[in-house]
Amino acid sequence: QSVLTQPPSASGTPGQRVTISCSGSSSNIGSNYVYWYQQLPGTAPKLLIYRSNQRPSGVPDRFSGSKSGTSASLAISGLRSEDEADYYCAAWDDSLSGPVFGGGTNLTVL
Amino acid sequence: QITLKESGPTLVKPTQTLTLTCTFSGFSLTTSGVGVGWIRQPPGKALEWLALIYWDDDKRYSPSLKSRLTITKDTSKNQVVLTVTNMDPVDTATYYCAHTERFRESFDYWGQGTLVTVSS
Repeated sequence: QSVLTQPPSASGTPGQRVTISCSGSSSNIGSNYVYWYQQLPGTAPKLLIYRSNQRPSGVPDRFSGSKSGTSASLAISGLRSEDEADYYCAAWDDSLSGPVFGGGTNLTVL
Repeated sequence: QITLKESGPTLVKPTQTLTLTCTFSGFSLTTSGVGVGWIRQPPGKALEWLALIYWDDDKRYSPSLKSRLTITKDTSKNQVVLTVTNMDPVDTATYYCAHTERFRESFDYWGQGTLVTVSS
């Protein structure tokens, strides 16, 4: 049981916009930054979004993050086949004194 | 550029102690705010944070595994070591080490991971 809650799956067609939600509490998302990772099959997680809405260099601007209260979202616009992957959210948890992850969302591009 | 690489046994027996080493480059664990953590992922399952050590030797552990974990650093070798005692088949997972640049923030750079199987 992950501390942060994500839908187990999401899907969209090429060119579409999809969003993935991440729900937490006041001790994590409510008071700290949110991070998003993309994990392609058989590879390590890759940072997509940091500090809730910032993109590392090299990450396309099709990916965007937002946060409101104790929830956050990752939006992917102009969906492409190569976006098919697992996506994880993460945040620091003040109660646990460490980072916590969501259960992951498997994105399928139809 | 920042790189991290995990090393250690690929197979351990139940009840044994697992020792994993993270060797990194491109940053120093003496720089204020910097930390290195360990995260694992059982096959087909989600990421789980295990432990984190900061530049000032501040150590954090997952409450659910704290009694079994020890994290240390060797700044002269650019290495962080994680030991996990009393290994069980449920501990079978890919173990990742990762870098964070500030306290209370998540990880930005990750190693490639190493699969550890627990079986007799």
